[in-house]
Amino acid sequence: DAKTTQPPSMDCAEGRAANLPCNHSTISGNEYVYWYRQIHSQGPQYIIHGLKNNETNEMASLIITEDRKSSTLILPHATLRDTAVYYCIVRVANNAGNMLTFGGGTRLMVKP
Amino acid sequence: GAGVSQSPSNKVTEKGKDVELRCDPISGHTALYWYRQSLGQGLEFLIYFQGNSAPDKSGLPSDRFSAERTGGSVSTLTIQRTQQEDSAVYLCASSQLTGSTNEQYFGPGTRLTVT
Repeated sequence: DAKTTQPPSMDCAEGRAANLPCNHSTISGNEYVYWYRQIHSQGPQYIIHGLKNNETNEMASLIITEDRKSSTLILPHATLRDTAVYYCIVRVANNAGNMLTFGGGTRLMVKP
Repeated sequence: GAGVSQSPSNKVTEKGKDVELRCDPISGHTALYWYRQSLGQGLEFLIYFQGNSAPDKSGLPSDRFSAERTGGSVSTLTIQRTQQEDSAVYLCASSQLTGSTNEQYFGPGTRLTVT
């Protein structure tokens, strides 16, 4: 799996958009970008994934650059409950044996 | 619908004892994964099941660790002769493997403390 680079920590004001960047310059053509988060004392939670088009769901939006070497996860209106460690993972999608490899992630602190 | 469930949520055991951790995946999910997370650390992959078979056991840290899955559903992770370094949160995840995606859904974990 391609390696990802994320800032170790970020702050965001409650109600504002949180933009979390991820660099994955060695991504291969068949690798997807996945985002998970882990709230303190809970298991990781799937957020969103994409291949090359921008994606949006009820939790977040994922913006992938045209060259696919970086992406941004956007939480449009961050709440205190969004405080968590956010992990960007690049991996092939349809392979059962492709376990998730979590790097250091970005610790997002949403402040009132 | 129901998510991945794990039991027990917390387990305290004495060094040298055996423990069994249980995972109930989301109904219909064919793939099941075990990870562990030590305090302040990232996730460490242990083993995965496709149906009832485990093609990849390379992540198991020692021969004291074993896992099985029956009926393509429930899985049990067994740790024999527990050691203090086995203390961690053990997480189970399942996925459906349909289409072109493979998002994994995690349970709440079992916090194991070996005293």
